[in-house]
Amino acid sequence: RKEVEQDPGPFNVPEGATVAFNCTYSNSASQSFFWYRQDCRKEPKLLMSVYSSGNEDGRFTAQLNRASQYISLLIRDSKLSDSATYLCVVFPGALTGGGNKLTFGTGTQLKVEL
Amino acid sequence: DGGITQSPKYLFRKEGQNVTLSCEQNLNHDAMYWYRQDPGQGLRLIYYSQIVNDFQKGDIAEGYSVSREKKESFPLTVTSAQKNPTAFYLCASSSDRSTEAFFGQGTRLTVV
Repeated sequence: RKEVEQDPGPFNVPEGATVAFNCTYSNSASQSFFWYRQDCRKEPKLLMSVYSSGNEDGRFTAQLNRASQYISLLIRDSKLSDSATYLCVVFPGALTGGGNKLTFGTGTQLKVEL
Repeated sequence: DGGITQSPKYLFRKEGQNVTLSCEQNLNHDAMYWYRQDPGQGLRLIYYSQIVNDFQKGDIAEGYSVSREKKESFPLTVTSAQKNPTAFYLCASSSDRSTEAFFGQGTRLTVV
């Protein structure tokens, strides 16, 4: 099983739609979680950190479910400019056998259409 | 302004030649990373370093080498042993291994 797994998509949605991505992780002791956004042929940029209590930034909401070992990203009222690849990132923890390094999912592609 | 800089942005090399990609950061970050990304694919970790003079292999280290002689610099050498070096190479840094990483703009390497 991969350390971090994402549905590659693409998710094609109309402008204004709500879309949700999930990301599962294999190491139950993982400590830190992030969502990144990557535009075509550009570097990834941090979108949000993910906390146990959940966090919201405008139209974006991130949730962590430790019991089921997944994190989610919800985008409301999607815009054309939201079209990008969304990467899930997990830090497994140094002492848990998962390696003491950030681990990236392969990304989920979102296409918002008129 | 603080940031992480990769150079060059585009690089062309002949097959069989070694090439070194530069990565410099002035964020005072301890951890630095090199990733490779192929078209339509995710990021794959090549090497990472948590501290000066120390580094570890990632998932695809074969055919690559790195050094970490200074905190702010983590150059990557793509050697002739790397079978398919044409790719987008991304360098990143973070204050420690569990915090968010910041990326450089990447280097597109094409081997002809």
